Amino acid sequence: SYVLTQPPSVSVAPGKTARISCGGNNIGSKSVHWYQQKPGQAPVLVIYYGSGRPSGIPERFSGSNSENTATLTISRVEAGDEADYYCQVWDSFSDHWVFGGGTKLTVL
Amino acid sequence: QLQLQESGPGLVKPSETLSLTCTVSGGSISSSDYYWGWVRQPPGKGLEWIGYIYYSGGTYCNPSLKSRVTISVDTSKNQFSLKLTSVTAADTAVYFCARQMDTGAGGNDFWGQGTLVTVSS
Repeated sequence: SYVLTQPPSVSVAPGKTARISCGGNNIGSKSVHWYQQKPGQAPVLVIYYGSGRPSGIPERFSGSNSENTATLTISRVEAGDEADYYCQVWDSFSDHWVFGGGTKLTVL
Repeated sequence: QLQLQESGPGLVKPSETLSLTCTVSGGSISSSDYYWGWVRQPPGKGLEWIGYIYYSGGTYCNPSLKSRVTISVDTSKNQFSLKLTSVTAADTAVYFCARQMDTGAGGNDFWGQGTLVTVSS
């Protein structure tokens, strides 16, 4: 089945830019969604269809997707951005949703 | 504002059936624009998609769980439900219900708060 690979952790200083990758075979041809999850809370959709931003999500969050890697970029990182981030795609071969393993973002 | 709320037993014995219901408020589950689904998260681990259902009853399920999963919908109560049979300790997780934002390959834009289900004798 389709596999999405994320780095377990990313660290960034406040005010800097964080980039979280999501690797998958030919992921550039798929629709990628990104979620933010804080401890004890449900996930929150932060990017949909690769680069769309739901209402209420700051413009600091952006997404891109090319070839075998999708990237979530968080600009001007704030302490409140510290969370786990998951990517998600639809595996059309086996007709099911796949999540990446998640990346813990630490704000130094 | 749309809200989803999971309900069901927090403790299930091994080999028995886990049953959860998601109640939708602030919107109709009968809309043709959305799917309604279940996602779970074992303690300290990542997210796993279980399956989703359309208001008319059509379902898709994770192949790894398909033989044990039943998802149903009750439009009169604005609810959908999950049944997972023959549970083991590996099924211990927080179970979330969520709305898929469209009937294509959209993401999940509204989520319930999640409910912890522990499988133990």
